[in-house]
Amino acid sequence: GQQLNQSPQSMFIQEGEDVSMNCTSSSIFNTWLWYKQDPGEGPVLLIALYKAGELTSNGRLTAQFGITRKDSFLNISASIPSDVGIYFCAGQDYNAGNMLTFGGGTRLMVKP
Amino acid sequence: KAGVTQTPRYLIKTRGQQVTLSCSPISGHRSVSWYQQTPGQGLQFLFEYFSETQRNKGNFPGRFSGRQFSNSRSEMNVSTLELGDSALYLCASSRGLNEQFFGPGTRLTVL
Repeated sequence: GQQLNQSPQSMFIQEGEDVSMNCTSSSIFNTWLWYKQDPGEGPVLLIALYKAGELTSNGRLTAQFGITRKDSFLNISASIPSDVGIYFCAGQDYNAGNMLTFGGGTRLMVKP
Repeated sequence: KAGVTQTPRYLIKTRGQQVTLSCSPISGHRSVSWYQQTPGQGLQFLFEYFSETQRNKGNFPGRFSGRQFSNSRSEMNVSTLELGDSALYLCASSRGLNEQFFGPGTRLTVL
């Protein structure tokens, strides 16, 4: 099935560093969502973006909906050990109802 | 309020058997979507139900089916299980066409 291109696939950073990850698609989406998944659990919604160009923050997280509607990025500032996990982007096309198309994930590891 | 719940959390079956997984959405949410997550294929959309009707379906064989009840609870069924059906099955609920919230998943192992 189709997946979004998410990069990087993994990151190993020092605590306190900033992190940036992004997703690109060949298709236009109405909504971009960012999720975090811990081992053995379901994805937890971090940020939802609804408008092209929109920049939204949630604590140390900031995400943007690309102007072309084909990309999005997520930044995490001042990383801490509990940021460890897999981050997924997801795109939603309202013509397909609530079907989400997911990126392959970015595995984040933080060294204390 | 309570989140999305899924039962059972873990399941072990053998090839050829069938399985039914259950999902209870967040109260007030009428849309339930199902996803399969595997290391090789990532998160793949199975189907979505809204007001007891299947609204969309992903590219999975007919062995995968689902339904939704009048209280918005949903079940998915996989018949004639294959080894490749081993996965984490996730359901997500939403009020309409907006944020979707996932349950903890059901880990299915097919032996």
